[in-house]
This record gives sequence, structure tokens and C-alpha cells, in this order.
Amino acid sequence: AQSVTQPDIHITVSEGASLELRCNYSYGATPYLFWYVQSPGQGLQLLLKYFSGDTLVQGIKGFEAEFKRSQSSFNLRKPSVHWSDAAEYFCAVAYNTDKLIFGTGTRLQVFP
Amino acid sequence: NAGVTQTPKFRVLKTGQSMTLLCAQDMNHEYMYWYRQDPGMGLRLIHYSVGEGTTAKGEVPDGYNVSRLKKQNFLLGLESAAPSQTSVYFCASSYAGGNEQFFGPGTRLTVL
Repeated sequence: AQSVTQPDIHITVSEGASLELRCNYSYGATPYLFWYVQSPGQGLQLLLKYFSGDTLVQGIKGFEAEFKRSQSSFNLRKPSVHWSDAAEYFCAVAYNTDKLIFGTGTRLQVFP
Repeated sequence: NAGVTQTPKFRVLKTGQSMTLLCAQDMNHEYMYWYRQDPGMGLRLIHYSVGEGTTAKGEVPDGYNVSRLKKQNFLLGLESAAPSQTSVYFCASSYAGGNEQFFGPGTRLTVL
């Protein structure tokens, strides 16, 4: 079955430190890939997406993600985290269907 | 443009009561979705629609009904609310299936 795995439920980093959030997807075909962010009490906002082409994708708020076909991964990165980045992050995939499949999310906590 | 709006923002029901959640989008999107979000479970698709007058079941459709009489509106109904339906409900829309989805701010529903 098609699935998305976010192995880290909760990550804590210090402000200014680098960040990498992991996302792995199942299935052989390359899906469309997305990262969303959800601040407390808010809806989801798209950070970035990958459809094809350059495997390093730039998004909003200084985030980037790299698609690695050999590892079935689409990890989200940021070189220097700000306190305002504290939120929940969701990876999502679409396999040529009408729907997105979401991971269970990673909650990011940022210490000053 | 308001994007995706949801009404109401909060609601408390007693077991057995009924209610309807309204989602509206002003982006002329064909696709609309209803999700529920529960701690540790990410977003789970309840029902979706690929165009005016169409609806389809998602991952967790039991206990819910939907209607898409107008392109811009997508209604989610609970005929007889149960405590297991206590959740945060999100509506989303997309111009194409399997593509970027735009989310509303959510409705927090509590069933006592």
C-alpha cells in the first residue's frame, strides 16, 4: 500500500542550529512530493513541492528539500532555525491520483 | 481573495445531534477535500469531490456525508454525532487532483 513515513514524532533544536526532517515514501514510482507546515491552531501551509527536474527544491521561509530516488526520501532542511519555525511539519505524496497521502507529522520545538 | 474558509470555527455537540460544516473556496478549484486531524494520526481523508455534483469516499468515511451542489462549496454532515468524531476538521481545495492543496483554518468539534 502507498504510504508516507515521518520517523521522527518530535524534534527539539536550539535556535540557530540546522534542521533536517525526514520523510520516506513507499511504492516504486516517483510521486509528487510536498511539505506542509502547521502552526498551532492554524491550517496547513505549503512550504515546497517537487514534481520533476532539479532534485533540490527551494521553498518559503528559507526551507529546502532534496528528493533522493535511491532512498525514496524527501527530507526537509533549514540551515538556521528561528524560534518562529516551531510548528508541526507534514510530508505528503501523490501517486497519480486525486488524493494526497499525508505522513503523521513531526513536531518541531525550538529552544532559545 | 479569502482562499478557503470554514464555518463554524468551534462547535460542541451532544451525542446523537446532527450538524453541517461548511467549506467555501473562491479560487475556482475543481477538487475539494474534507480531512480530520487527530493527535499522532496526521490528516485522514474523509470524503472528497472532483467537481460540482460529485463526491467520493476517502479513508474514514463512516458516520459522515457530503454534498457538492455548488462548485465553490463543500458540505460535511454528521447525522448522529458520536464522541469518536471529536476532532479538528480541515477542508482543502485544489485545481487538480494530486496537486497542491490549499487548506482552511479548521473547525474544532467536540462531541460530549
